[in-house]
This record gives sequence, C-alpha cells and structure tokens, in this order.
Amino acid sequence: DAGVTQSPTHLIKTRGQQVTLRCSPKSGHDTVSWYQQALGQGPQFIFQYYEEEERQRGNFPDRFSGHQFPNYSSELNVNALLLGDSALYLCASSMTGANVLTFGAGSRLTVL
Amino acid sequence: QQQVKQSPQSLIVQKGGISIINCAYENTAFDYFPWYQQFPGKGPALLIAIRPDVSEKKEGRFTISFNKSAKQFSLHIMDSQPGDSATYFCAASSLSSGSARQLTFGSGTQLTVLP
Repeated sequence: DAGVTQSPTHLIKTRGQQVTLRCSPKSGHDTVSWYQQALGQGPQFIFQYYEEEERQRGNFPDRFSGHQFPNYSSELNVNALLLGDSALYLCASSMTGANVLTFGAGSRLTVL
Repeated sequence: QQQVKQSPQSLIVQKGGISIINCAYENTAFDYFPWYQQFPGKGPALLIAIRPDVSEKKEGRFTISFNKSAKQFSLHIMDSQPGDSATYFCAASSLSSGSARQLTFGSGTQLTVLP
C-alpha cells in the first residue's frame, strides 16, 4: 500500500516565480494537510483540505493557496516566491476525525 | 499561545543509554500529544502519542511521560540504538472545526546514538 506521495521531490525557482506542488494521500484517507518545514525547524501548519474545501488555515499569507480534487489528491500553490519560502513542504493525509497523520517525504523548494 | 517548546536541540548518547527529550506547552486546550521521528530525506513518522488523561504511555523502548499540571511531556528512549539516530519532534493539538487535527510542532531534537 503506497503511503503519501509527493511531487516533485526537489525544485529550484527564482524570486517572483510561482510553484505548484502535488500530493496523493494514502489509500483510504480523505483529508490532506500541508506543512512548511524550514531547515532545522519543526513543520508549520499551512492549511487543511477536506471535501475539496479549505477547512483550517495557519498563519500564512494569501500567496499560499491550495486545492483538493475529487480523488482526494491536493495541490499547494505559492505565488510571488520569496527567498524565505525555501523549505521542505510536507503533505500529510488522514481519515476524517482521526488523530494520526501520515506524512509524505516532502518537496524541497529552493528559491534563488 | 500555540507554541510548543522543545529541548535539547541536540543530544548525543552512547549505545544502550537512555535518551530523554523534553517539551512544554502553554495552551491548556491541547488534548493530543504525539511524538514524530524523522530521518534525513524522509517525512516525519508517528512514533508514539498520549492523551492528557494518562501520565505515562509505553510502547517497546519508547515511553512518554506527561505532567498535566506542569504542562510538560517528555520522550524516553531506553536502550538507545544507533538506528534511533534521527530528529525527534514533539507536537500538540486540540480539537477544532477541521476534519483532522492541526499539529503544532516543537523545534526538534537531533539525536545521535554512538555505537
């Protein structure tokens, strides 16, 4: 059983560009959350999607947006990239109401 | 306050020793406290978790101790092994309007177990 899969694994962008990261949740999971993990730091919650709607949002600007598709997969979009957006972006999936989150290996974004 | 404070930042232990990582929180609404283990190039993986209605939970060599009055909890790794070398994160969350828990993570502890 495949766990949470994320793509791409690594990417490099320049300031001002836009990026789209993708996530396929673990089989049977219907909720997707996104986290940003800066180097040497713990993950920080960006937002959560369930039934194709954003349900919760952390303290991130509107440049960060997302989408969930009918098959429960999700995208994270970041516009007008800043150097400070360089980080590992983690997708986590879970079943509705469950405590356990399953994380993917992440997409490492470098902004030059 | 949503912050979870974790210490130490790094820890070096001899094989067979006990590794202890501590966390403290402020938000009394937190009701779920998991610990995650992260290896380089991998995402965090759930190790063990505790609810505030118990003071201790043990799974194999891993034990969580929880002190509700002090708002502190800790991870103990008994008989530490080189394969335990990883970064450990404590986290906390409370019930919310979302469909799944939103985790607030500590800053992480890089554990090195020497052979």
